[in-house]
Amino acid sequence: RKEVEQDPGPFNVPEGATVAFNCTYSNSASQSFFWYRQDCRKEPKLLMSVYSSGNEDGRFTAQLNRASQYISLLIRDSKLSDSATYLCVVNNQAGTALIFGKGTTLSVSS
Amino acid sequence: NAGVMQNPRHLVRRRGQEARLRCSPMKGHSHVYWYRQLPEEGLKFMVYLQKENIIDESGMPKERFSAEFPKEGPSILRIQQVVRGDSAAYFCASSPQGTGSYEQYFGPGTRLTVT
Repeated sequence: RKEVEQDPGPFNVPEGATVAFNCTYSNSASQSFFWYRQDCRKEPKLLMSVYSSGNEDGRFTAQLNRASQYISLLIRDSKLSDSATYLCVVNNQAGTALIFGKGTTLSVSS
Repeated sequence: NAGVMQNPRHLVRRRGQEARLRCSPMKGHSHVYWYRQLPEEGLKFMVYLQKENIIDESGMPKERFSAEFPKEGPSILRIQQVVRGDSAAYFCASSPQGTGSYEQYFGPGTRLTVT
């Protein structure tokens, strides 16, 4: 089983749509969880940390289910500028590194 | 506040040459991480360093690759006798403290092409 698994997509949605990404992780000892965004040929940029209680930042909502080892990201009212690859990230058991999923590609069209 | 800086941004080496990639962390950050992204692949952890110490090198290939973060100056990732399979984007990240709940911030990367 891969350490972090994501549906690669692509997700093709119109502007204004709501889209949800899911992610599962294999190591129950992971303590930190993040969503990063990566534009083509650019560096990953932190979108948001994910907390057990769930957290929201504007149009973005992240959820964590530790029992199911499942992380989600919801994007409401999609914008053209949201087109990117979204990376689900957890820390390793030692807490010394981040483990990245391969990413889910989102394309928002007008 | 300058972000993580990496240079060069693009590096072309012939097979058998050496590649040196440099990374300066964000101001106030003392922890540096190197990741590699092969074409069409996800980012893979290579090494985690603090000043003058390698903390975790579990992701480093056993041969030809080395990393350092000296007391003064940037962190260096060194690849000796490069092969075509080393062609990738190499990203450096930094954090104010060790990864636990601390986010890592990435530099723009060095794209290495081995011809």
